[in-house]
Amino acid sequence: AQSVTQLGSHVSVSEGALVLLRCNYSSSVPPYLFWYVQYPNQGLQLLLKYTTGATLVKGINGFEAEFKKSETSFHLTKPSAHMSDAAEYFCAVISKSGYALNFGKGTSLLVTP
Amino acid sequence: EAGVTQFPSHSVIEKGQTVTLRCDPISGHDNLYWYRRVMGKEIKFLLHFVKESKQDESGMPNNRFLAERTGGTYSTLKVQPAELEDSGVYFCASSRGVNTEAFFGQGTRLTVV
Repeated sequence: AQSVTQLGSHVSVSEGALVLLRCNYSSSVPPYLFWYVQYPNQGLQLLLKYTTGATLVKGINGFEAEFKKSETSFHLTKPSAHMSDAAEYFCAVISKSGYALNFGKGTSLLVTP
Repeated sequence: EAGVTQFPSHSVIEKGQTVTLRCDPISGHDNLYWYRRVMGKEIKFLLHFVKESKQDESGMPNNRFLAERTGGTYSTLKVQPAELEDSGVYFCASSRGVNTEAFFGQGTRLTVV
């Protein structure tokens, strides 16, 4: 079954510091991987996705993620955190059916001044 | 272009009552999905419509949940009778096709007391 595991339910970084949110996947087929963000009182918004091709994927708001097959990982990074990045982040993988998403438990990012 | 719209944003009902959640997908999106996040848990897939047809309802918790998509446009999710464990945030999403970006609504927060 296609699944993802997010390490750390809460991550705290200082403003300007590197953001690293971890996601490992399990998939019996080449995975389609996603990162979504949920800001307070808003819906889920797609940050970036990996389907095929280049393994380093750039998304919105300066975020990027690298697909590493050997490590079954798809970690999300941003070089310099902004206060506005405080939100909950979800890693997800497309199910075998090709449409439903299987989500991780989410990681809440806190950015401190 | 309007996004995915969900109504109501919040609902508080008593155990045993009926609640109906509504989702208006993005125009032209044949695929419509319902997901649910129970507090502290992952966002879980409930079901998938292609136009007016249920493609997959394997995630529906039990027969107290009924989803419809009249004419392939908006969708409703009815919970009857509601139980305490049904509390959570219900998300709706829509997409053009398989393996394409799913756009999410803001969610309906359901509280059963």
